Amino acid sequence: GDSVTQTEGPVTVSESESLIINCTYSATSIAYPNLFWYVRYPGEGLQLLLKVITAGQKGSSRGFEATYNKETTSFHLQKASVQESDSAVYYCALGDLASGSWQLIFGSGTQLTVMP
Amino acid sequence: EAAVTQSPRNKVTVTGGNVTLSCRQTNSHNYMYWYRQDTGHGLRLIHYSYGAGNLQIGDVPDGYKATRTTQEDFFLLLELASPSQTSLYFCASSDELSQDTQYFGPGTRLLVL
Repeated sequence: GDSVTQTEGPVTVSESESLIINCTYSATSIAYPNLFWYVRYPGEGLQLLLKVITAGQKGSSRGFEATYNKETTSFHLQKASVQESDSAVYYCALGDLASGSWQLIFGSGTQLTVMP
Repeated sequence: EAAVTQSPRNKVTVTGGNVTLSCRQTNSHNYMYWYRQDTGHGLRLIHYSYGAGNLQIGDVPDGYKATRTTQEDFFLLLELASPSQTSLYFCASSDELSQDTQYFGPGTRLLVL
């Protein structure tokens, strides 16, 4: 079946440092799945951070970027300069068409702590 | 105003106990989902529904029932809770035209002793 693998946490970086959280996927049911990054802040539910549906395209939001690379089947999340408020759990996911309806397949999440 | 709410936010029960987790969405979405999140795993889909009265089985349905009473309300039932069901449970909703863009509730933390 489909799967998503991402950087194991926890990850700790200092404020204003750069960040990369790796994500690779394996999709068997669909050639070019939609790819997502969701974020979960403490005490809250997951929120969509960014979504890219076209291979080769880049998505961006709140200073984060991710590029859909179909050659390496990757969708790494990057930010040039993190802030303390970016501390959260980040989930990579792909959209899978199974049993006639779309579902999300999630990675295990990466806990990010940004130190002031 | 939160569009997906869950209750309770925390629950403790004993093995064999009966638990109902509630979810309400005000997004006017057709699709609703129940996930569980455990350390080392991504969110795993338990059940989902595409409308009132409909129920679809997800990837980890064993030990769970669910019921969608209205478009807004989706319930997860654990009739004989076991310690293996200790987890963080998320509810989500999505629009029919963009099913893989989901909107999540804040989660319910369940502890089964």
